[in-house]
Amino acid sequence: DTAVSQTPKYLVTQMGNDKSIKCEQNLGHDTMYWYKQDSKKFLKIMFSYNNKELIINETVPNRFSPKSPDKAHLNLHINSLELGDSAVYFCASSLVGGSYEQYFGPGTRLTVT
Amino acid sequence: SQKIEQNSEALNIQEGKTATLTCNYTNYSPAYLQWYRQDPGRGPVFLLLIRENEKEKRKERLKVTFDTTLKQSLFHITASQPADSATYLCALTHGSGNTGKLIFGQGTTLQVKP
Repeated sequence: DTAVSQTPKYLVTQMGNDKSIKCEQNLGHDTMYWYKQDSKKFLKIMFSYNNKELIINETVPNRFSPKSPDKAHLNLHINSLELGDSAVYFCASSLVGGSYEQYFGPGTRLTVT
Repeated sequence: SQKIEQNSEALNIQEGKTATLTCNYTNYSPAYLQWYRQDPGRGPVFLLLIRENEKEKRKERLKVTFDTTLKQSLFHITASQPADSATYLCALTHGSGNTGKLIFGQGTTLQVKP
C-alpha cells in the first residue's frame, strides 16, 4: 500500500489556468505538508497542516490555496498559473512538528507553458 | 543570514569505499537534523535522524554525526555500492512544536562506480 500518494504525477497546462493537486496519506499522521522543488533541486516548504488546521504558511503567493478536508488529505489549488510555478510539488506527512521523519509522496511535475 | 549548505553538488567514489557527505549550517540552532535519500523522479526517503545531544547515530552501513559547535553534520556510507548512487539531502529542524519545519540543503549527488 502506498503511504503517501499524489495525483496527478504529471501536469502540463497553460499560463492563466487553474489546477489542483491531490494528496492522501494512510499513515495516520496528524501533519501534512506541501513542498516545492525547483529546477536547482532545492526543496522548500510551502504549507503545513495539523489536524486540518493551517500551521505553516511560508511566503507563498495567495494564488496557492491548500485545503485539508480531513487529516488524511491535503490538496493544493493553484490559480492563474505562471511560468515560474513550473516545478515538482511534493506532499509529505509526519507526526506533529519538525522532530519526526517525514514521508514524501512521489511528486507532481507541473509544467506551465 | 541563515544558510544550510552541503559540501558539493556531486561526489564520485569507487565501490567499496566510504562516502562522506557534509552538511554545514549558519545561524540556526536545530534540535534535530535529518538525512534523506532522493532518487531521480521520486520523493525523498527518510534515512536517519539525530538529536542535538547525540554525537553519532548508526543504521546498518550508514553513520551520521552532529557537531553543534562546528555547526556541521557528516553522513557516511561505508562499503558503498552502486545501488547507493542517489542524491542525499540534509534537513534541519527550525522552530519547535507543531510549527517546527524542515529546512533542506541543496543535496549532494553521490555516484558509486563499480
